[in-house]
Amino acid sequence: GDSVTQMEGPVTLSEEAFLTINCTYTATGYPSLFWYVQYPGEGLQLLLKATKADDKGSNKGFEATYRKETTSFHLEKGSVQVSDSAVYFCALTPNSGYSTLTFGKGTMLLVSP
Amino acid sequence: DVKVTQSSRYLVKRTGEKVFLECVQDMDHENMFWYRQDPGLGLRLIYFSYDVKMKEKGDIPEGYSVSREKKERFSLILESASTNQTSMYLCATSRAKRVETQYFGPGTRLLVL
Repeated sequence: GDSVTQMEGPVTLSEEAFLTINCTYTATGYPSLFWYVQYPGEGLQLLLKATKADDKGSNKGFEATYRKETTSFHLEKGSVQVSDSAVYFCALTPNSGYSTLTFGKGTMLLVSP
Repeated sequence: DVKVTQSSRYLVKRTGEKVFLECVQDMDHENMFWYRQDPGLGLRLIYFSYDVKMKEKGDIPEGYSVSREKKERFSLILESASTNQTSMYLCATSRAKRVETQYFGPGTRLLVL
């Protein structure tokens, strides 16, 4: 079945550091790929998405590129802020059938001033 | 803005009790989902629904049932709560069958004693 693997956390960074959170997937065909973010005490919210190979999703300074050849969708940000501290989830949905989400286990990001 | 509300933020129940978790959305979305979130396991899909009175099993339906009598409301039922059902429960919605973006409620943290 489909699966998503993302790097374990926590990832601890100083403010203004460069962020990469790795995500790879296993799926048949061409899934859509997502990054969701969960701030403390809240539900998940969509951060960005990409629906086909070589697409780049971006939002709030974060970006990720859909790489079919490496089955990856790594999340990057050039300069993190304390307010970016959250748990980040990589997810996929197949491009046929029901649009259910398969999530990775989540990566906690802690940014210190 | 899409608003997804869940009936309780925190809930404490005893083993063997019947537990109802309610989710209500105000945007006329067709699809509704129930997930549980556990540390180190990410989010796992319990049940989902694409229409009133319709339900589909997710990855971990055992011990749970659902009810969708009205489009805006999706209930998760623990017929006889057990300690291994202590978890965070998240409800989500999406607009239509092949629309992938899901909108999440704030979650219900359930403790079963």
